[in-house]
Amino acid sequence: DTAVSQTPKYLVTQMGNDKSIKCEQNLGHDTMYWYKQDSKKFLKIMFSYNNKELIINETVPNRFSPKSPDKAHLNLHINSLELGDSAVYFCASSQGGTTYGYTFGSGTRLTVV
Amino acid sequence: GESVGLHLPTLSVQEGDNSIINCAYSNSASDYFIWYKQESGKGPQFIIDIRSNMDKRQGQRVTVLLNKTVKHLSLQIAATQPGDSAVYFCAENIGGGYNKLIFGAGTRLAVHP
Repeated sequence: DTAVSQTPKYLVTQMGNDKSIKCEQNLGHDTMYWYKQDSKKFLKIMFSYNNKELIINETVPNRFSPKSPDKAHLNLHINSLELGDSAVYFCASSQGGTTYGYTFGSGTRLTVV
Repeated sequence: GESVGLHLPTLSVQEGDNSIINCAYSNSASDYFIWYKQESGKGPQFIIDIRSNMDKRQGQRVTVLLNKTVKHLSLQIAATQPGDSAVYFCAENIGGGYNKLIFGAGTRLAVHP
């Protein structure tokens, strides 16, 4: 199936640990994104890559580091996890240009204990 | 600042009724708008989009209206069905050369039989 797939779907970890979330899209899109959805359902953009180049980097702690090995993959690594990092993280992709919607993955629910 | 929408409200409707979900956006330079539907445990799903040179666009059972004068978007769902129960988000592309979607806080639609 053509889709945006992210793994794992659930991630429970202790404070201070380092974890990664992986994302892959087979839609042939040029641009990929990470969004964070908090407990009130608010979706906030974190990063965007276009053809492996970082183009959007919002005010995110530098404990968060995205990596794009190729345009079909965008991973998110988080160092020294904190309780406030608990959220649902969504990967998305789109065509280049400013009038295209995103296709979202199904999310990774991160719980820091 | 960048903000779309208000706090997460809930709209309750009877099955078969028409639903109207409203959204206010803040950036008058935004040129592209999208409505997304998010069901529990899933990622946001594209419903319908509209460009800033239009004021109305229709899809299957859905209509989006754009009023640029007052920076307002609405999503109309005809003959609402139980499967329409979800959280609905409006999103605006604020331009600036990047495909950067800013999401509103969302509205929960509850459809009662």
